[in-house]
Amino acid sequence: QSALTQPASVSGSPGQSITISCTGTSSDIGGADLVSWYQQHPGKAPKVIIYGVTKRPSWVSTRFSGSKSGNTASLTIYGLQAEDEAVYHCCSYTPTTLVFGGGTKLTVL
Amino acid sequence: QVQLVQSGAEVKKPGSSVKVSCKASGGSFNSYAFGWVRQAPGQGLEWMGGLIPVSGATTSARKFQDRVTFNADTPTSTVYMELRSLTSEDTAVYYCARGNGDTGYNWLDPWGQGTLVTVSS
Repeated sequence: QSALTQPASVSGSPGQSITISCTGTSSDIGGADLVSWYQQHPGKAPKVIIYGVTKRPSWVSTRFSGSKSGNTASLTIYGLQAEDEAVYHCCSYTPTTLVFGGGTKLTVL
Repeated sequence: QVQLVQSGAEVKKPGSSVKVSCKASGGSFNSYAFGWVRQAPGQGLEWMGGLIPVSGATTSARKFQDRVTFNADTPTSTVYMELRSLTSEDTAVYYCARGNGDTGYNWLDPWGQGTLVTVSS
């Protein structure tokens, strides 16, 4: 199972919106609505921010939004804030394994 | 709120084994699956596998299935991951995480703090 494809880096200014893509195949992302996204600050463990493609844990800001079209999932962050600077990982469940993307480093300019 | 606390950093010789523990507190232990994910220096996350303590059912990524073992000690709410035949490529931070959702692993939350395993001669 190959890793999901994410851009290595994205950037944006405070207040702007950015979107991170995550491309897989019909065997993973396209096969079910089981995509999750994780935020990881330097030296810290990942934390879930989106699950089930679009669902947000209660403690996660409404500025984070997930979507999916075909074999590509996307994470959009609205109204960028300095604390959003982190690495974002996408993940898809498949019947045989979990597959992660390579991670995208978000820089808030 | 459930918390996962992992064992401390390890330094191992090539060819040896490492066993990492992950103790759950503050929530139900038997109702969930627990997964293991590793992260090599400067790299992304890599799924290793996991287990469901109440049934003992395990699942392993194909890459690790010949040299990884997952088990649990229910009375102490602790899960373990043992990786054998270590090489320098196994140097990484190893995370445990609780699985959620109807498959057991729809998403992972919360995560342990991570355990650095360094393999060096």
